[in-house]
Amino acid sequence: AQSVTQLDSQVPVFEEAPVELRCNYSSSVSVYLFWYVQYPNQGLQLLLKYLSGSTLVKGINGFEAEFNKSQTSFHLRKPSVHISDTAEYFCAVSEIVAGGFKTIFGAGTRLFVKA
Amino acid sequence: NAGVTQTPKFRVLKTGQSMTLLCAQDMNHEYMYWYRQDPGMGLRLIHYSVGEGTTAKGEVPDGYNVSRLKKQNFLLGLESAAPSQTSVYFCASSYWGGPTGDTQYFGPGTRLTVL
Repeated sequence: AQSVTQLDSQVPVFEEAPVELRCNYSSSVSVYLFWYVQYPNQGLQLLLKYLSGSTLVKGINGFEAEFNKSQTSFHLRKPSVHISDTAEYFCAVSEIVAGGFKTIFGAGTRLFVKA
Repeated sequence: NAGVTQTPKFRVLKTGQSMTLLCAQDMNHEYMYWYRQDPGMGLRLIHYSVGEGTTAKGEVPDGYNVSRLKKQNFLLGLESAAPSQTSVYFCASSYWGGPTGDTQYFGPGTRLTVL
């Protein structure tokens, strides 16, 4: 069965430090992978996605993620975070099913960037 | 191009009252979704629609009904509100097309409190 696990519920980090938010998934078929970001009191917006091709995906605001098929992971990274990156980040996995897609979201990781 | 809009932004109900949340999208998307977001639980799918006139149950459909009479609109109804339905509700839409992998576009959310 399809599932998504975000391994950290909260990640505190100092400004200008690197960060990695971890996401593991399980699926028996080929998947599409996404990271969404939710700023306080806003809806989710797409940060980046992996559909096919290069396993290293670059997104907005300097974030990138690497698809690792053997480890079924899609970890999100940023080499130097800013205060403005404080938000909740959601990993999502989408697979093709009869009639369309089935997408599942992880529980979210709250990134808190400290000065 | 407004994207996905939700009405209202905030609402307070008393137990047993009814209400309808309206979602509208101007991107000609086939798929539309209603989620609820609760602390520590991420996004949970309530109902979804794969096209005008069709609806289907998601993960947590009890206590909710939906309708998709027009392609651009997706309504979520609460017939008899309960305190357990206090949550933030998000509407999303996506294009049915393999290359996009179900990239979802979210509205700003409706914060509902049931007393």
